[in-house]
Amino acid sequence: SAVISQKPSRDICQRGTSLTIQCQVDSQVTMMFWYRQQPGQSLTLIATANQGSEATYESGFVIDKFPISRPNLTFSTLTVSNMSPEDSSIYLCSVLGQASGGSTDTQYFGPGTRLTVL
Amino acid sequence: GENVEQHPSTLSVQEGDSAVIKCTYSDSASNYFPWYKQELGKGPQLIIDIRSNVGEKKDQRIAVTLNKTAKHFSLHITETQPEDSAVYFCAASLDKIIFGKGTRLHILP
Repeated sequence: SAVISQKPSRDICQRGTSLTIQCQVDSQVTMMFWYRQQPGQSLTLIATANQGSEATYESGFVIDKFPISRPNLTFSTLTVSNMSPEDSSIYLCSVLGQASGGSTDTQYFGPGTRLTVL
Repeated sequence: GENVEQHPSTLSVQEGDSAVIKCTYSDSASNYFPWYKQELGKGPQLIIDIRSNVGEKKDQRIAVTLNKTAKHFSLHITETQPEDSAVYFCAASLDKIIFGKGTRLHILP
């Protein structure tokens, strides 16, 4: 299975500032995703990070607010721009990877970045 | 689009007993059904998954069943242990994964 790391693991930020979250995978993967998980809630897909092209955003999420980069097959960043307290959430990187002994791709998640906006 | 309903939202069972979490999905084309366990402060971890060409899958104390006709699938944990306490998410997928709202499982000593 893919090993995913995220930086930072947590941060406390002031309203109006921006934070960039990094996601690093230990192997090349075709698909990378960014999710948001609000406190006590389920996971909501923000966007699919496409290597070499613009990310594909889900309904309700826009590039100006959540710019995403994916310069190669193992790394992606998500920026949360002009933050407000409503952006306080856990942000999770996810990848499609091949399970051990499996023939099809499975989705794995990073440890998450816990963001608090004051 | 796909909609996944998960029940119950909270479940408490005595240590050693079995726990069952149930999910339904709306899109009959969905063909992949993973289950994730999320412990406090951690990301979701895949614990078991099932594809639509299989009706049941088991991995030690964990099993998942799928009824394609009724569009529902269930997670069964037997001989529960304290470390099973966590939030469990079911999901259904065709081209993207849609998650249920989660079940908070408490294992009582």
